[in-house]
Order: sequence, then structure tokens, then C-alpha cells
Amino acid sequence: AQKITQTQPGMFVQEKEAVTLDCTYDTSDQSYGLFWYKQPSSGEMIFLIYQGSYDEQNATEGRYSLNFQKARKSANLVISASQLGDSAMYFCAMRRDSNYQLIWGAGTKLIIKP
Amino acid sequence: KAGVTQTPRYLIKTRGQQVTLSCSPISGHRSVSWYQQTPGQGLQFLFEYFSETQRNKGNFPGRFSGRQFSNSRSEMNVSTLELGDSALYLCASSRGGVGAYNEQFFGPGTRLTVL
Repeated sequence: AQKITQTQPGMFVQEKEAVTLDCTYDTSDQSYGLFWYKQPSSGEMIFLIYQGSYDEQNATEGRYSLNFQKARKSANLVISASQLGDSAMYFCAMRRDSNYQLIWGAGTKLIIKP
Repeated sequence: KAGVTQTPRYLIKTRGQQVTLSCSPISGHRSVSWYQQTPGQGLQFLFEYFSETQRNKGNFPGRFSGRQFSNSRSEMNVSTLELGDSALYLCASSRGGVGAYNEQFFGPGTRLTVL
């Protein structure tokens, strides 16, 4: 069965510190993609970063990077130099080449303290 | 370029009624997916439409249905509403090509409350 696990329900981080949000996944497919989304209190899902299962390098997008460890089936999101505006829910999701739906983790609520 | 729009943004209905939600994708996008988000169940996939055809479906009862029009706009219908249908319904659009990387752009959601 395909599954995404986010073990941190909530995190408090001091502004300007780096933060790592954990994500592990389970799939028997060889070809798949991993996504991270941010959901502020307004409710809209904002795409942050993508990692393909065959990508050899970790994805980076500005302050966001994805620490992809395929053998361990983990895809952790790293936010460098956190800002107050980073406070939100963060979701890890997976999509297989053989299927078009996103499978979601339960999310991590990140709160940045000033 | 305009983003994904969903109407209405908020909706209050009573049990037994039916409701129709609308989603307009980004221009040029042919795929529209619908998700239900609740505090208890999290985010769950409802269905996806591509070029007016349902391409994939999640595990929801038949009361949940959808369709897509020739201009890629999509509607979702829920009949005989139950209290448990109260949720944020998110619509996402993408170009819809094959392969795992099809970035989905989300709309602001429709918050449905069933009384």
C-alpha cells in the first residue's frame, strides 16, 4: 500500500533558524514523485518543491531543499533561515507514474517564533 | 496568468440537500483534481478529470460525483449531504501529461458546512 508518514504533528522554531520537516514514504513503484506543499491558515495549497525518484541530486528551490534518501524512503524538507511567514501547515505528498492521484501525509504544523 | 478559481468560497447546507462546487483551472490546463480535507481524515483524493473524462477515482461513495466541460472547467456534486461531508474541498489543475511530475496548482478551496 502507498503511504506517506509525517511524524511531527507540530514544531516550534526560532526565527532565522533552519528547520527540517520529516517525511517517509512507502511504495513498491520504481517511478514516483515526491512533493511538498505549504498550507497557510487561508487554506490554499502552495507548491514548494518536487523530487523525482530518478533524480540523483537533491532538489532545491530558494530557501527550500529536499533531503532525498531513496534507500531509506525519506524525503525531508529543509527550510533555511526561517521567517515568520513560514508559519503554516506543511504536507508531504507522493504521486506514482502509474497513478495520477496525490497521496498525502497528515501534515506538520510549523510555528516560527520571533 | 490567472490562478485556479473555486466558487463559492463558503457554503452552508443542511443534511439531505445537495451541493455543486465549481472549479476553473489555469488556462491551458486540461486536468482537474478534487480533494477533500477534514481534521479527522486529512487530505483525501476524490477524483481527477482529464479532457472531460474521469481518469482516476478515490474511495468515496457514489454521492460524490463530478464532471468536466470542454473548456476544462469542472464541477463536483454531492447529493444527500451528511454531517461528515463538512470539509474544505480543494481543486487542483495541471497540464495533465503522463508521468509523476505534474505540478498541481491549487485553488483557495470551498469550505462546506453541513448542519
